[in-house]
Amino acid sequence: TQLLEQSPQFLSIQEGENLTVYCNSSSVFSSLQWYRQEPGEGPVLLVTVVTGGEVKKLKRLTFQFGDARKDSSLHITAAQPGDTGLYLCAGARNNNNDMRFGAGTRLTVKP
Amino acid sequence: KAGVTQTPRYLIKTRGQQVTLSCSPISGHRSVSWYQQTPGQGLQFLFEYFSETQRNKGNFPGRFSGRQFSNSRSEMNVSTLELGDSALYLCASMKSEAGYEQFFGPGTRLTVL
Repeated sequence: TQLLEQSPQFLSIQEGENLTVYCNSSSVFSSLQWYRQEPGEGPVLLVTVVTGGEVKKLKRLTFQFGDARKDSSLHITAAQPGDTGLYLCAGARNNNNDMRFGAGTRLTVKP
Repeated sequence: KAGVTQTPRYLIKTRGQQVTLSCSPISGHRSVSWYQQTPGQGLQFLFEYFSETQRNKGNFPGRFSGRQFSNSRSEMNVSTLELGDSALYLCASMKSEAGYEQFFGPGTRLTVL
């Protein structure tokens, strides 16, 4: 059983659509990170959220950390083919070197 | 500023052999973590080193080991390779002892035949 559950596991949408992916846990995290990984490469950090209820925006991407610091969401507005990739959330407990990753959401954006 | 580098990028071994993978962190980063990524299990934490000391360890058998040198470069070793060890092995570096942000290398793709 994954400590962090990501949903959906797979998502295929058309260019221009909006989407939200979720990262849920029963554990509390001191911080939570979102990464995007493309085939043959390592994950690339998108954002780190630390405070419960925090919302961060990165262009068309909006990240939210739950009030209780147990869950997070990533919302993409007007998705583009360049957004295609594996989106991973990772939670840090114990300040901080105990990182646990979700299984990821594989997003495909069709032109 | 150069990113995290890993060598080799690709490796093919046979069962029973042993392998050593290398990771050079971003300059100034003292923490190095290793992960195994497979389609079935996702990203699984192997261990983390800081200032040449192993600080955290995941749930992997003793065949998986690592070390860190005084210049923060790290190596991981897998002995007596099994077919199930085929995976992408990722290294990530972090700046400080209490940092949040890990930066990943491109990984080493290990295939065990």
